[in-house]
Amino acid sequence: KAGVTQTPRYLIKTRGQQVTLSCSPISGHRSVSWYQQTPGQGLQFLFEYFSETQRNKGNFPGRFSGRQFSNSRSEMNVSTLELGDSALYLCASSLGHGKGSYNEQFFGPGTRLTVL
Amino acid sequence: AQSVTQLGSHVSVSEGALVLLRCNYSSSVPPYLFWYVQYPNQGLQLLLKYTTGATLVKGINGFEAEFKKSETSFHLTKPSAHMSDAAEYFCAVSENQAGTALIFGKGTTLSVSS
Repeated sequence: KAGVTQTPRYLIKTRGQQVTLSCSPISGHRSVSWYQQTPGQGLQFLFEYFSETQRNKGNFPGRFSGRQFSNSRSEMNVSTLELGDSALYLCASSLGHGKGSYNEQFFGPGTRLTVL
Repeated sequence: AQSVTQLGSHVSVSEGALVLLRCNYSSSVPPYLFWYVQYPNQGLQLLLKYTTGATLVKGINGFEAEFKKSETSFHLTKPSAHMSDAAEYFCAVSENQAGTALIFGKGTTLSVSS
């Protein structure tokens, strides 16, 4: 079974630009979560999508947004990039239904975004 | 609000020595608890998890952790360190039944010397 894939793996942008990152979950998984990893703040939860609906949201400004398509693939978008947005963005997928049982999250390799 | 504290940003051990990585959490409800490992330039891999049931949980690569509700702790141990254990380790908590929306600790880098 193929794992979680993220594209692109590396990205360089300049301040003020916007960026879109993509995540393809494991086949059959309906939940996709996004996390930001920086040396200063560590790993922080951005948001989670389940069946095309945002189910949970972290504490990030509105410049960070996401969506999920009917095939469960997800994109996250960051508008008006700032230097502090430079980070590794990780995507994780799971079955996600949480009906009385835990569903393991599987992480992708991440997209490393550098903002100049 | 949930939070996770990992004591010690860097732990160094000799090969064959005991590994102990500390994690304390705060949660208003019974949480799900996790330990993840991250190798350089890679994503996160689940080592072990506590959801319900037995408080001593065993994971991959010989690691185990014990959920102690009274101490709000979930420390990770391994009896004998191996060079391949050198990596960054993250403790995480989730309060929702699906085990998503993880709150992570700052991480502990484990170094293993020969």
